Amino acid sequence: NAGVTQTPKFRVLKTGQSMTLLCAQDMNHEYMYWYRQDPGMGLRLIHYSVGEGTTAKGEVPDGYNVSRLKKQNFLLGLESAAPSQTSVYFCASSYLFVGRGSGELFFGEGSRLTVL
Amino acid sequence: SQQGEEDPQALSIQEGENATMNCSYKTSINNLQWYRQNSGRGLVHLILIRSNEREKHSGRLRVTLDTSKKSSSLLITASRAADTASYFCATANTGFQKLVFGTGTRLLVSP
Repeated sequence: NAGVTQTPKFRVLKTGQSMTLLCAQDMNHEYMYWYRQDPGMGLRLIHYSVGEGTTAKGEVPDGYNVSRLKKQNFLLGLESAAPSQTSVYFCASSYLFVGRGSGELFFGEGSRLTVL
Repeated sequence: SQQGEEDPQALSIQEGENATMNCSYKTSINNLQWYRQNSGRGLVHLILIRSNEREKHSGRLRVTLDTSKKSSSLLITASRAADTASYFCATANTGFQKLVFGTGTRLLVSP
């Protein structure tokens, strides 16, 4: 039981390049999320999904796209990377809607992205 | 915008001492959660307290919630070096399908 797995763990891009971060969970969770973590900023929600085939914008969605074609996978894409997107990206999933009484997030180990 | 703000930003104590960190938030919540993050790792859920609860315990952790002051505290008793990590509070606002995280408290426990 791997939980939440993110690939790749590290990546260096040049400005303007594109890439996709993959998140996979084996817990049959309905809800999945992408956060970015920057020093002094805490975690900020980029996009999230409430089920297969759905996506929604979070706090900082600009410059990112997502897809949830399969329940277990949530992909985060950068179409044209910018230095401001240098960050650590975390994927998370939850069984219950986190607004309900007992929804908690399960996180992956993070993907460290540097854009030069 | 951040919902939770932790205080202090950093805390340094000796093993065996208690560590207290605080979280303040701005809007009505459904529940408040605390997470731990070891350096270079993902976040791990510690404890959840619902808006109608005032105190909750889990092992060496004690969480309180004061909805009138929009604040919560996390107490770690008898700290160990392995408790060295960053601790984040996160709030779930009623009707929103997401958690909003604070900026965290960095705890250093020295042997």
